[in-house]
Amino acid sequence: DTAVSQTPKYLVTQMGNDKSIKCEQNLGHDTMYWYKQDSKKFLKIMFSYNNKELIINETVPNRFSPKSPDKAHLNLHINSLELGDSAVYFCASSQGQGPAYGYTFGSGTRLTVV
Amino acid sequence: ILNVEQSPQSLHVQEGDSTNFTCSFPSSNFYALHWYRWETAKSPEALFVMTLNGDEKKKGRISATLNTKEGYSYLYIKGSQPEDSATYLCASEGSSNTGKLIFGQGTTLQVKP
Repeated sequence: DTAVSQTPKYLVTQMGNDKSIKCEQNLGHDTMYWYKQDSKKFLKIMFSYNNKELIINETVPNRFSPKSPDKAHLNLHINSLELGDSAVYFCASSQGQGPAYGYTFGSGTRLTVV
Repeated sequence: ILNVEQSPQSLHVQEGDSTNFTCSFPSSNFYALHWYRWETAKSPEALFVMTLNGDEKKKGRISATLNTKEGYSYLYIKGSQPEDSATYLCASEGSSNTGKLIFGQGTTLQVKP
């Protein structure tokens, strides 16, 4: 029974399209995150939500919009996809917000924009 | 140090060797240091979260130490096994109380049988 599940695992789409990546966690965690693995393999935070409230919104293009219908779900919607959006996107959750709560990661979504 | 830096970037050892790698992080506004293990085609898995200067944590053959004053942490693997082959990530968590982690690039360990 997967703790943090992302769908789809792979996504190939054309420039200009709008796409969504879904994330669900069944751990009862309060906080969920989206991270992007950049071209140098670093994981960089994009957004976090705590109990459906936006907490972190890094300097991400506003074509990226997170949506959290409830605390178990955090979806990522991307408008007008560009070639540079190609990356692996990871969802994660943690028990609380703030120090010392380890993350549980999803398996990642590899987005390829052609 | 402004970023989280890990060294070495990659490491090849023989089965049975003990090894260690380093994570350097900003010592100001520090709250916690995380270590994750990331196997190929899987998701990162939490190993340790440490908060106190001098903290030492252990899980089986893997242990980690923390020096918050000078901003570094060591991860040790005793008697490496092929199944230890993975990328080991460290991440620093600041005191902003948001759970935001700044990740290093990772150390990729390959253990040869």
